[in-house]
Amino acid sequence: AQSVTQLGSHVSVSEGALVLLRCNYSSSVPPYLFWYVQYPNQGLQLLLKYTTGATLVKGINGFEAEFKKSETSFHLTKPSAHMSDAAEYFCAVSEWSASKIIFGSGTRLSIRP
Amino acid sequence: EAGVTQSPTHLIKTRGQQATLRCSPISGHTSVYWYQQALGLGLQFLLWYDEGEERNRGNFPPRFSGRQFPNYSSELNVNALELEDSALYLCASSPEIAGGDEQFFGPGTRLTVL
Repeated sequence: AQSVTQLGSHVSVSEGALVLLRCNYSSSVPPYLFWYVQYPNQGLQLLLKYTTGATLVKGINGFEAEFKKSETSFHLTKPSAHMSDAAEYFCAVSEWSASKIIFGSGTRLSIRP
Repeated sequence: EAGVTQSPTHLIKTRGQQATLRCSPISGHTSVYWYQQALGLGLQFLLWYDEGEERNRGNFPPRFSGRQFPNYSSELNVNALELEDSALYLCASSPEIAGGDEQFFGPGTRLTVL
């Protein structure tokens, strides 16, 4: 069965600092992996996704994530945080035949001035 | 291109009543998904419809039900409302049945049960 674990329900960084949001997954077959962002009172927006090919995936707003099969991880990073990055971030996994996406519990990112 | 739309934005009901939430997918998308986002519980998968059929459902009681219409829009019905049903209900659509396809989310319906 698929599952996703996001380490840290709340992460706080200073503006300009590195953002690192951790995600580990469990899947019996090669997974498809996603990061979504949710701004207050809004739906979810796709940041980036990994399906096949290059393991370093670049997304919108300067975010990127690296698929590491040996570590079953898909951590999200951004070199320099901006105040507008404050939001809830969800890691998710799906399998080709399942279509259903399993979401992690989310990490709330706060940015300190 | 219009995104996923949901109505109403907010819905206030009392215990025991029924709630009906509506979702219109992106044009050309045949799959519709419903999720419940309750405070502290993250995103819980509720239902998946494709081509008018229920394809999968999450671990929710039968009083959560829905349907998909020929134009691919969808309705989520929650009967015999309980206080813990208070949550943001998100609808998403995708173009086809395939893992790896992203789901496009609507802004949600905030259901409050008093």
